[in-house]
Amino acid sequence: DQQVKQNSPSLSVQEGRISILNCDYTNSMFDYFLWYKKYPAEGPTFLISISSIKDKNEDGRFTVFLNKSAKHLSLHIVPSQPGDSAVYFCAASVYQGAQKLVFGQGTRLTINP
Amino acid sequence: DAGVIQSPRHEVTEMGQEVTLRCKPISGHNSLFWYRQTMMRGLELLIYFNNNVPIDDSGMPEDRFSAKMPNASFSTLKIQPSEPRDSAVYFCASVRGVEYTEAFFGQGTRLTVV
Repeated sequence: DQQVKQNSPSLSVQEGRISILNCDYTNSMFDYFLWYKKYPAEGPTFLISISSIKDKNEDGRFTVFLNKSAKHLSLHIVPSQPGDSAVYFCAASVYQGAQKLVFGQGTRLTINP
Repeated sequence: DAGVIQSPRHEVTEMGQEVTLRCKPISGHNSLFWYRQTMMRGLELLIYFNNNVPIDDSGMPEDRFSAKMPNASFSTLKIQPSEPRDSAVYFCASVRGVEYTEAFFGQGTRLTVV
């Protein structure tokens, strides 16, 4: 069972415009949510996170929104830059003996010049 | 710190052979995770450890897969016997403590079973 789902395998956005990546989850026990960015031949790197007690967290061009009632989160990148082209993974965390970190399938974002 | 170190970076093996993937977490980190990246499931959690103790191995696909963490600075993921469908990129990640959730990933091991 896929507890964290990213239903869009790919997204193409014009440089300078807003990129919106979406993620849905099923486990209401998740209490922390993260976004990771992955370039080819590298491991994923942490981008931004949000606690379940908040509904928005902003860091420069990146903003994460959390809608707990809908079990949905999104990542907004504005303005989008060519260097943002990568695979983005949504992740959710719940404490089960340790912080169990569950990831989605990933969305490949391409920023077109 | 050198970060999470995985070896080898690439592994090509024949079906039926034993494969061992290795991971050195960041010093001082308490939790260690093994993930497998596939197109269908993205980053699939296989197993995770806390203070060298396996907490949840429900993601391990079959009995052919096993993982150990004999000490705080080393973990292995073994596949025996390997099959072509095991071909994927395997990642190891470590987390500093129970109150932290940011995981640091290694560069991964690309496994090809022919």
